[in-house]
Amino acid sequence: DAKTTQPTSMDCAEGRAANLPCNHSTISGNEYVYWYRQIHSQGPQYIIHGLKNNETNEMASLIITEDRKSSTLILPHATLRDTAVYYCIANAGGTSYGKLTFGQGTILTVHP
Amino acid sequence: EAQVTQNPRYLITVTGKKLTVTCSQNMNHEYMSWYRQDPGLGLRQIYYSMNVEVTDKGDVPEGYKVSRKEKRNFPLILESPSPNQTSLYFCASSLSWSGKQFFGPGTRLTVL
Repeated sequence: DAKTTQPTSMDCAEGRAANLPCNHSTISGNEYVYWYRQIHSQGPQYIIHGLKNNETNEMASLIITEDRKSSTLILPHATLRDTAVYYCIANAGGTSYGKLTFGQGTILTVHP
Repeated sequence: EAQVTQNPRYLITVTGKKLTVTCSQNMNHEYMSWYRQDPGLGLRQIYYSMNVEVTDKGDVPEGYKVSRKEKRNFPLILESPSPNQTSLYFCASSLSWSGKQFFGPGTRLTVL
């Protein structure tokens, strides 16, 4: 898996959009970008993933730059329950035997 | 409800006393794996399984065993636990070698 770099921590006001950046400058063509979050030692929770195009689901949006060297996870209206560690992972599925390589992630704190 | 369950959720044991942590999923997933999470080291894969009777080592397999006799179950066995196996353990499953994985709630193990 390509190495990913994320800020250690970020703050966000409740109700505002949270934009979490991730750098993956060495990502290869067959690697997807996945985002997970972990709320206070619970099991990591899948959020969204993408290859080249921007993606949106009920939880978040994922914006991937055209050169695929970086991406941004957007939580459009952050709530206190979105306070968690967010992990950005580059994963090629079969060639990595399904192993997810979790880095240190970004600690997102949502304030009232 | 689609889920991965683990038991027990908390366990305190003593060195050398064999234990098993169970993992079960109800999504008919082929792929299952075990991770451990330690402060400063992130999540590291212990073992994984592609299907019934097919298992292989992850990054930190020493001191652990697994078995996959049924598709839904993937128990983690510590035959002679040691204090350095004190950790938070997560089981995960997915439909294939996909980066979109479902994690269990975790088992916090303390070995005295």
